[in-house]
Amino acid sequence: DTAVSQTPKYLVTQMGNDKSIKCEQNLGHDTMYWYKQDSKKFLKIMFSYNNKELIINETVPNRFSPKSPDKAHLNLHINSLELGDSAVYFCASSQKSRGLNYGYTFGSGTRLTVV
Amino acid sequence: AQSVTQLDSQVPVFEEAPVELRCNYSSSVSVYLFWYVQYPNQGLQLLLKYLSGSTLVKGINGFEAEFNKSQTSFHLRKPSVHISDTAEYFCAVSEGYGGSQGNLIFGKGTKLSVKP
Repeated sequence: DTAVSQTPKYLVTQMGNDKSIKCEQNLGHDTMYWYKQDSKKFLKIMFSYNNKELIINETVPNRFSPKSPDKAHLNLHINSLELGDSAVYFCASSQKSRGLNYGYTFGSGTRLTVV
Repeated sequence: AQSVTQLDSQVPVFEEAPVELRCNYSSSVSVYLFWYVQYPNQGLQLLLKYLSGSTLVKGINGFEAEFNKSQTSFHLRKPSVHISDTAEYFCAVSEGYGGSQGNLIFGKGTKLSVKP
């Protein structure tokens, strides 16, 4: 069983479209994340979310919105896609204990290409 | 605020040679430290982590790292590399009590290229 699974693995779409990426974890972790990896491999946190709070990186455009139907899922919805949104998006999960983070488990990534 | 610096963006090395990938961090509080590996077109996989205790940490695939608090470093080492170790390596830090929300902050990565 895959611990953190993302779908789709590849996504090619036109500018202006709206798309979603799904993420599911079966580890029982209480916190999930979305990271963006650009062409230079730099990893930037976009959101972290647990059942208590959503923390948004202030540099993320509001066209990006996380949606969590339950503790095991954190989907990423993107409105009005732009060329600069092309990147690899990683979902991750972790178990935090009293605010301490013992490490992430990552999904395999979604390569988004906006044309 | 915490930050992570990986001093080398690329490290070329011949097969069976030793390698060290350098990582320095800055933080005003205690930290947890991690190394992740990313093989081409794959996600990130945990190599090893330092939470507490012994400063020498052993991970998967023969890698080890040493936490040096005075030098704020967490360098990754392997005594003899293989072609299959070719990948991108990321150092990451998570602040302990008194820090941020505990999210991992990643360095910019070091590309290890092992040549025959």
